[in-house]
Amino acid sequence: ETGVTQTPRHLVMGMTNKKSLKCEQHLGHNAMYWYKQSAKKPLELMFVYSLEERVENNSVPSRFSPECPNSSHLFLHLHTLQPEDSALYLCASSQERGLGANVLTFGAGSRLTVL
Amino acid sequence: AQSVTQPDIHITVSEGASLELRCNYSYGATPYLFWYVQSPGQGLQLLLKYFSGDTLVQGIKGFEAEFKRSQSSFNLRKPSVHWSDAAEYFCAVDSNDYKLSFGAGTTVTVRA
Repeated sequence: ETGVTQTPRHLVMGMTNKKSLKCEQHLGHNAMYWYKQSAKKPLELMFVYSLEERVENNSVPSRFSPECPNSSHLFLHLHTLQPEDSALYLCASSQERGLGANVLTFGAGSRLTVL
Repeated sequence: AQSVTQPDIHITVSEGASLELRCNYSYGATPYLFWYVQSPGQGLQLLLKYFSGDTLVQGIKGFEAEFKRSQSSFNLRKPSVHWSDAAEYFCAVDSNDYKLSFGAGTTVTVRA
């Protein structure tokens, strides 16, 4: 399998649930990202990992908790979410860190609905 | 901080007609510029990128874009659209480590 794979593709959860989104890349990339995509808004960068180290956390609420156990896998752990957290969560990867190196390869996204 | 503006929220174009999507950016130096496309239910796919050199860049699926420094623009064009070009298009600018800034997107509808 190639590219960036996200699971699950769709997730419905209550505000008291705990769930996780998974992302896996088979491209040998060194950096991985979580973005939030809400309707008619620019993509919001949530987290960046480079070589398994978190290098960016864009003031994301603590109810979102990322985990990067190795350079191929990235998780987003979710707990006590709010309805406004409903969105498409996109995972992406890139070859290297550095200016101009951010050619991102995206997964298909996980559509999250919080009831 | 850099920012990206896509002035057109929605464009409808007839199949076979030409298409131009506008993108303006705000950044002090020469940025790295990208166009991505998102088909329904899919992630974003890179169409083309500009790093340096020739200001007219060719991408996949017959798309091209032109960087105009004087206008801070990076407009996307296609001479003849196909029904499969119906999608959402995002312009992005990269001026710092890791920080790609995206526009809000332009939705393209193709009518027969």
